[in-house]
Amino acid sequence: QVQLQESGPGLVKPSETLSLTCTVSGGSISTYYWSWIRQPPGKGLEWIGYTYNSGSTNYNPSLKSRVTISVDMSNNQFSLKLNSVTAADTAVYYCARGHYYMDVWGKGTTATVSS
Amino acid sequence: DIQMTQSPSSLSASVGDRVTITCRASQSITSYLNWYQQKPGKAPKLLIYAASSLQSGVPSRFSGSGSGTDFTLTISSLQPEDFATYYCQQTYRAPPITFGQGTRLEI
Repeated sequence: QVQLQESGPGLVKPSETLSLTCTVSGGSISTYYWSWIRQPPGKGLEWIGYTYNSGSTNYNPSLKSRVTISVDMSNNQFSLKLNSVTAADTAVYYCARGHYYMDVWGKGTTATVSS
Repeated sequence: DIQMTQSPSSLSASVGDRVTITCRASQSITSYLNWYQQKPGKAPKLLIYAASSLQSGVPSRFSGSGSGTDFTLTISSLQPEDFATYYCQQTYRAPPITFGQGTRLEI
């Protein structure tokens, strides 16, 4: 059974880069699309983007200038980098499998932007 | 962007009730519509994909219908564990994939 686990620093300073990793266990990362979604405190879900093993990516236009999603096949991981963060980027960040629908999710990791 | 609008935003119901949540897209998304359930402090869980296909392991009291711009999620007989927030999601035209604002189902 595939499981996903997000990891990364819980606190990021304004203007710096938020870096998160999602480790895929119980299955290969090579045969699916992989997505990142976030949820600000008390708010709804926002899609950030997705990637495929070929390195192809698709990003939310509202974040595209600041986002990079990449795959590390050798470690069965994919990652999210969001640069120039502000308080508005404070959220729970989820990784998930799929792009037409997301059928497996990580538990989420909270990232707080604060000095 | 395709806007997804759910109604109602919140709903009070009782165990055993039949409940319907509606999701409307700002343009046709054919059947590229998914439903998720989220409980406090937990990740969303996929319930329905492609408008009406029940995800494996999801109880049959959940069902989805619709196509084009109008969709519904129905819970035939509410159970205590069904009290949660429900989100619709369109994946017809990306970027961006968009979610509805959520419907909070309360006792």
